[in-house]
Amino acid sequence: DAKTTQPPSMDCAEGRAANLPCNHSTISGNEYVYWYRQIHSQGPQYIIHGLKNNETNEMASLIITEDRKSSTLILPHATLRDTAVYYCIDLNQGGKLIFGQGTELSVKP
Amino acid sequence: ETGVTQSPTHLIKTRGQQVTLRCSSQSGHNTVSWYQQALGQGPQFIFQYYREEENGRGNFPPRFSGLQFPNYSSELNVNALELDDSALYLCASSRGLAGSDFSHEQFFGPGTRLTVL
Repeated sequence: DAKTTQPPSMDCAEGRAANLPCNHSTISGNEYVYWYRQIHSQGPQYIIHGLKNNETNEMASLIITEDRKSSTLILPHATLRDTAVYYCIDLNQGGKLIFGQGTELSVKP
Repeated sequence: ETGVTQSPTHLIKTRGQQVTLRCSSQSGHNTVSWYQQALGQGPQFIFQYYREEENGRGNFPPRFSGLQFPNYSSELNVNALELDDSALYLCASSRGLAGSDFSHEQFFGPGTRLTVL
């Protein structure tokens, strides 16, 4: 079973920031936080990962709270192509991805 | 494009039959993981292969089996197909398990859609 909890769905206006929350209530000290997304009918796509510090790459930013019990994925300027199901996962290095139900993000014009 | 390919794209089988799905991993990757995704659900981990050895298995019966070849491509075999085996089967390739050989990102293929009638 998935270890994380996410809201089932969210809407975001095109061009605005999309902030997707995730709770990691049972995360342990050596487990990373990963975010993947899955656009309809495609395989999941890696977005970003982090351990303790906030991270940023060309796709998104990841904010991890100090107690590591929650994280937020930020898409700074959402586009229609960002409409997808977003999954947060916590696991050990080299571990097997355990997907939950994810958050279905709808970006609207 | 992730460089991970899967074949076939679609497949229709009848209950009781056997099926083999194939995955070619990205160049330089020695780890392949297989996932089953039922309609409307997140992917479920089936098993992982690292350097031709099984390295962990999810909650799937023994009729789900796999292989990894010396070139790190992989097969998923399912015997005695059941209606509930109808799903999208995804493979993901990555590098290493831990340490300096390890990369965090798993690259997924487009999947094989299996329908069991």
